[in-house]
Amino acid sequence: GAVVSQHPSWVICKSGTSVKIECRSLDFQATTMFWYRQFPKQSLMLMATSNEGSKATYEQGVEKDKFLINHASLTLSTLTVTSAHPEDSSFYICSAGIAGGLNEQFFGPGTRLTVL
Amino acid sequence: DAKTTQPPSMDCAEGRAANLPCNHSTISGNEYVYWYRQIHSQGPQYIIHGLKNNETNEMASLIITEDRKSSTLILPHATLRDTAVYYCIVRGTGKSTFGDGTTLTVKP
Repeated sequence: GAVVSQHPSWVICKSGTSVKIECRSLDFQATTMFWYRQFPKQSLMLMATSNEGSKATYEQGVEKDKFLINHASLTLSTLTVTSAHPEDSSFYICSAGIAGGLNEQFFGPGTRLTVL
Repeated sequence: DAKTTQPPSMDCAEGRAANLPCNHSTISGNEYVYWYRQIHSQGPQYIIHGLKNNETNEMASLIITEDRKSSTLILPHATLRDTAVYYCIVRGTGKSTFGDGTTLTVKP
């Protein structure tokens, strides 16, 4: 089956630093990748949709200058949290849609970010 | 994407069938019903999806009403490892919008 990986699985950083999270589709090409954020005991909230080779589309209320998304290839999208602060601590999850598929989306295992 | 409504929590005895309902009364004709589950601190796991016919796979069965305004996910023999948050999503092309889901607790 289709596998999506994320790296790192967890990261702890100091306030003010930037953190990059990678999302890879391992055995399929993904024209579209989605980034979600999940706070404790809450549901997943979509942050942005990224299409390979074009700018990401951000959901209302998500700062595009703070959460930089790059989707440079059909198998890799990155989310960079710039100048992270403790309120950015969350579980970040990506999903990838198969190019030409039946709207299938496969989710990564998530990245736990803790900002001290 | 259509909004879905699910009960916040359900309990089920181990070995019994778990029936999880979902209402999606504003579903469009080209939108599929997807079910995912999320075990604590993991990414969502795909379970099953369907358009209008009932579907079955090795994990579960999906029953969609004839008017497509609601569906039920059935775990035929629930185990303790099925304890998770179950999300019903209606999706055409594009993004998945998650509601609050149903927390299923399987009890011994």
